[in-house]
Amino acid sequence: DSGVTQTPKHLITATGQRVTLRCSPRSGDLSVYWYQQSLDQGLQFLIQYYNGEERAKGNILERFSAQQFPDLHSELNLSSLELGDSALYFCASSVATRYWTGANTGELFFGEGSRLTVL
Amino acid sequence: GQQLNQSPQSMFIQEGEDVSMNCTSSSIFNTWLWYKQDPGEGPVLLIALYKAGELTSNGRLTAQFGITRKDSFLNISASIPSDVGIYFCAGQLRGGGADGLTFGKGTHLIIQP
Repeated sequence: DSGVTQTPKHLITATGQRVTLRCSPRSGDLSVYWYQQSLDQGLQFLIQYYNGEERAKGNILERFSAQQFPDLHSELNLSSLELGDSALYFCASSVATRYWTGANTGELFFGEGSRLTVL
Repeated sequence: GQQLNQSPQSMFIQEGEDVSMNCTSSSIFNTWLWYKQDPGEGPVLLIALYKAGELTSNGRLTAQFGITRKDSFLNISASIPSDVGIYFCAGQLRGGGADGLTFGKGTHLIIQP
């Protein structure tokens, strides 16, 4: 058990819909990361939040957005869903090595993932 | 962005065999990491390497940080059924930002009894 909690574990929805994925980081971790895993693309970094603020952005589509709340949990919102958005979405958290930037050593703790199927 | 070439893409081996996989990049990384993902789970960190040339073991696993800082290797000795899964390498650039952490596409390890 990594200590990172993600809900829901499975989600099936239709094209054009909107879903929200939720993540609670490990106790004490201020950084939250979202990754997308598809069969042919491996783990793709989407976005990082540190203590409520966006810190780094990866290949996140404009239809996707995220936020981190004062209690440090995070939500990833996926809208106008397309078939190609079907994937595993992972949340990870880490201890920051530089507290003013949210930098880390690369040691991430991943949740079990949310499997999204868009029909 | 940076790209990691991880090979092999998949491995079919017999229980008890040794396993070797590697990751190469055109970029220099400050840190190399190896993660394992069990079926239905999230990736879990196996080994982290912080110095060029560093050789680190974790049980039957041994990983090395290449001297050029552009590659890393993971070896598993005497494989057992629970070694099945996907192994990811990851390289972290200096600065430690999440956008500086790049994952390889993974090596699928399948063990035949």
